[in-house]
Amino acid sequence: EVKLVESGGAVARPGGSLRLACAASGFKFDDYSMNWVRQAPGKGLEWVSLVSWHGATTYYADSVRGRFTVSRDNGENSLHLQMNALRPEDTALYYCVRGYCSDLQCYFDKWGQGTLVTVSS
Amino acid sequence: EIVLTQSPGTLSLSPGERATLTCRASESVSSGNFAWLQQKPGQPPSLLIFATSTRATGIPDRFSGSGSGTEFTLTISRLEPEDFAVYYCQQYGDSPTITFGQGTRLDIK
Repeated sequence: EVKLVESGGAVARPGGSLRLACAASGFKFDDYSMNWVRQAPGKGLEWVSLVSWHGATTYYADSVRGRFTVSRDNGENSLHLQMNALRPEDTALYYCVRGYCSDLQCYFDKWGQGTLVTVSS
Repeated sequence: EIVLTQSPGTLSLSPGERATLTCRASESVSSGNFAWLQQKPGQPPSLLIFATSTRATGIPDRFSGSGSGTEFTLTISRLEPEDFAVYYCQQYGDSPTITFGQGTRLDIK
């Protein structure tokens, strides 16, 4: 069974930092790209970041580029999101999401339960 | 960035009725990279349909997806009580740029 379990969510001050983690199991982790997607309370979904299967290529939404850094450890089957210079608008439930891509199609096929980040003074 | 606009924002129907949800893109989307997600209260989203029209594992055949280019549709042929949820469309573009629609809430009438 595929499992994605996020951790590290907490209350942080504006300008502060947090590091989120996602523990993956039940599949060959390094066969897949991985993503972070967030959802502000009562709002819709916003893609945050993607890391390729090998970890060498990363992509970010404009809203977080330069402040957040995604990384992965394929030996530990884990995904991380280092969040710096946090802003109140970063307050959200952060989901770890598996991405599947073939030559013809790409989609997000497995989601974790999420970890809550609250940025408030 | 491709903007996805879903309509209606809220749809109120009764069990047994047919639901039609629409997602319009600001520019053409590859059919292989278009998906629908379902989110029930207190749960993460889950994949419903990928590549425009392919049902994910375990999704009943009352759910169907169609469309191309800039207009896509999710149809639920006969609503069951467990189908009342929020539905999001998603596109996975080049670069990549990944965007979601704002969601359609499907409520019990």
